[in-house]
Amino acid sequence: GAVVSQHPSRVICKSGTSVKIECRSLDFQATTMFWYRQFPKKSLMLMATSNEGSKATYEQGVEKDKFLINHASLTLSTLTVTSAHPEDSSFYICSARTGTGRFHSPLHFGNGTRLTVT
Amino acid sequence: AQTVTQSQPEMSVQEAETVTLSCTYDTSESDYYLFWYKQPPSRQMILVIRQEAYKQQNATENRFSVNFQKAAKSFSLKISDSQLGDAAMYFCAYVSMKTSYDKVIFGPGTSLSVIP
Repeated sequence: GAVVSQHPSRVICKSGTSVKIECRSLDFQATTMFWYRQFPKKSLMLMATSNEGSKATYEQGVEKDKFLINHASLTLSTLTVTSAHPEDSSFYICSARTGTGRFHSPLHFGNGTRLTVT
Repeated sequence: AQTVTQSQPEMSVQEAETVTLSCTYDTSESDYYLFWYKQPPSRQMILVIRQEAYKQQNATENRFSVNFQKAAKSFSLKISDSQLGDAAMYFCAYVSMKTSYDKVIFGPGTSLSVIP
């Protein structure tokens, strides 16, 4: 089945530094990937939609200068948390879909990245 | 805007028994998909079942089945013969086929405990 690999699974960084999270589709091409943020015992909140070869589309309230998204190829999207602060500590999950159109395919999720900013 | 509601923050079920998780959604569209995702303690999101809105027949996947009531905008999940491995957060999700980005909207989740 479709596999989405997310790396790293855990990262601890100091306040003010930047952290990059990678999301790869291993056995399929993903023109669109999605980045979610999840707080403890809460639902997934869509942060942005990453489109290969074009700018990401950010949800309302998400700072695009803080959460930089790059979708340079059909199998890789990256999320960079710039100048991280403790309030950015969270669980970040990426996802991708194997197909588009009416015969909609479900999302396949990475294993998530737990970011802790000290 | 579309919304997804799960009115049961927590549920519990005895092992081998049946449990039903509720989900309602609000939309003005007619063409969409609905999903149930499971998130165990490992935090990996796992697709449980999906339903196309244009299909009247309720989807089933082994011990998992849904009761899809389009007019009522209700999409409940029934788990039969509950197993310890079913313990997880369950998220109901909606995606419109009208938007170009196929944005998935998740409900707040229901935490299911399975009692041995």
